Amino acid sequence: NAGVTQTPKFRVLKTGQSMTLLCAQDMNHEYMYWYRQDPGMGLRLIHYSVGEGTTAKGEVPDGYNVSRLKKQNFLLGLESAAPSQTSVYFCASRSQGPSYEQYFGPGTRLTVT
Amino acid sequence: GENVEQHPSTLSVQEGDSAVIKCTYSDSASNYFPWYKQELGKGPQLIIDIRSNVGEKKDQRIAVTLNKTAKHFSLHITETQPEDSAVYFCAASMATGRRALTFGSGTRLQVQP
Repeated sequence: NAGVTQTPKFRVLKTGQSMTLLCAQDMNHEYMYWYRQDPGMGLRLIHYSVGEGTTAKGEVPDGYNVSRLKKQNFLLGLESAAPSQTSVYFCASRSQGPSYEQYFGPGTRLTVT
Repeated sequence: GENVEQHPSTLSVQEGDSAVIKCTYSDSASNYFPWYKQELGKGPQLIIDIRSNVGEKKDQRIAVTLNKTAKHFSLHITETQPEDSAVYFCAASMATGRRALTFGSGTRLQVQP
């Protein structure tokens, strides 16, 4: 199994450009999450989804949008990138069942100049 | 919302020594406490976790203890090896709702050969 995959691995954007980060999981998980990681800080929750067709805001949602049209995919969009969005972005998923474990993707390193 | 504090931010030990990392949480409703290891350029990997109905859990050289009354939990690594060098994160979450993780700020562990 591939687990959780993220596309792309690296990206450089200019201020004001837009892009979409793709997260895919092959574990049939209900819950999916987008986190960002900044130097010296733990991961912070941007948006999450508790099932296909649902999305909700986390702690730091401003400047991002998400969509979960298919159960296996969770997309994170930046409509107008800002330097403050320079970060490493991690996607994670977990099942609805008794296991609490979240599985993380390898991350996307985004630089906004 | 939940707040997780983690100490120390850096820890250097000699190979074979023990390492202890401590975390405190604020929300008494949290009931799941995982520890993640993150190596350079990779996503977080779960190394051990504990639920609130258990006070201690051990897996070979690593162990986690939980004190619900004091709202703190700790990671213990014995007989440290150079390959244990990484950044370690504690986290907390609840069994209901979004079930997202709130992370500590991380501890950079360096094991000197």
